[in-house]
Amino acid sequence: SQQGEEDPQALSIQEGENATMNCSYKTSINNLQWYRQNSGRGLVHLILIRSNEREKHSGRLRVTLDTSKKSSSLLITASRAADTASYFCASDPPGTYKYIFGTGTRLKVLA
Amino acid sequence: EPEVTQTPSHQVTQMGQEVILRCVPISNHLYFYWYRQILGQKVEFLVSFYNNEISEKSEIFDDQFSVERPDGSNFTLKIRSTKLEDSAMYFCASRFPGQGGLEPQHFGDGTRLSIL
Repeated sequence: SQQGEEDPQALSIQEGENATMNCSYKTSINNLQWYRQNSGRGLVHLILIRSNEREKHSGRLRVTLDTSKKSSSLLITASRAADTASYFCASDPPGTYKYIFGTGTRLKVLA
Repeated sequence: EPEVTQTPSHQVTQMGQEVILRCVPISNHLYFYWYRQILGQKVEFLVSFYNNEISEKSEIFDDQFSVERPDGSNFTLKIRSTKLEDSAMYFCASRFPGQGGLEPQHFGDGTRLSIL
């Protein structure tokens, strides 16, 4: 896995199904974020989970964080074709001024 | 909703030439960042900037790179003598100075830099 690393690298599902992506990281963190990137576009912030939180919801998104395993997951429920994009986790190590991005999961939702 | 804007969207430059990538961060943000993404690879941190100075830089950000906030609204990345391996998408990001760094970074749509 990346610092962070995501798996799977690619995921193809049918519209209406749920998509789960996982991320692992190596250092301690202040928080962890998930971003979406449509092809050729910038990174859109989806959700931030603090290091002292275990689960967070936002609409069809559910993020979990397990700091003991240094891992996070992003669940997209009832996926839509418009969810087709790459999804990245980004960790925010304490004492730094940067995000460390994962390698991303390319999600394809088939109509 | 306010957004980070980057210009140009695509820059084509001859190897060895200087290039300046421009960004207008969100107006009340105080932390600024540059990242790059080589095609098909992950997003890599280059530099962070706060209070008119560099807060942190990566090993990628060598002497060929510099950043500037020339006029209180723009935030620029300059590459003095471009190399073929500088070809990438360059993203600018900005962040509001919230408590404990819990505000997310907001990204622009990027500048695709192609070095010939």
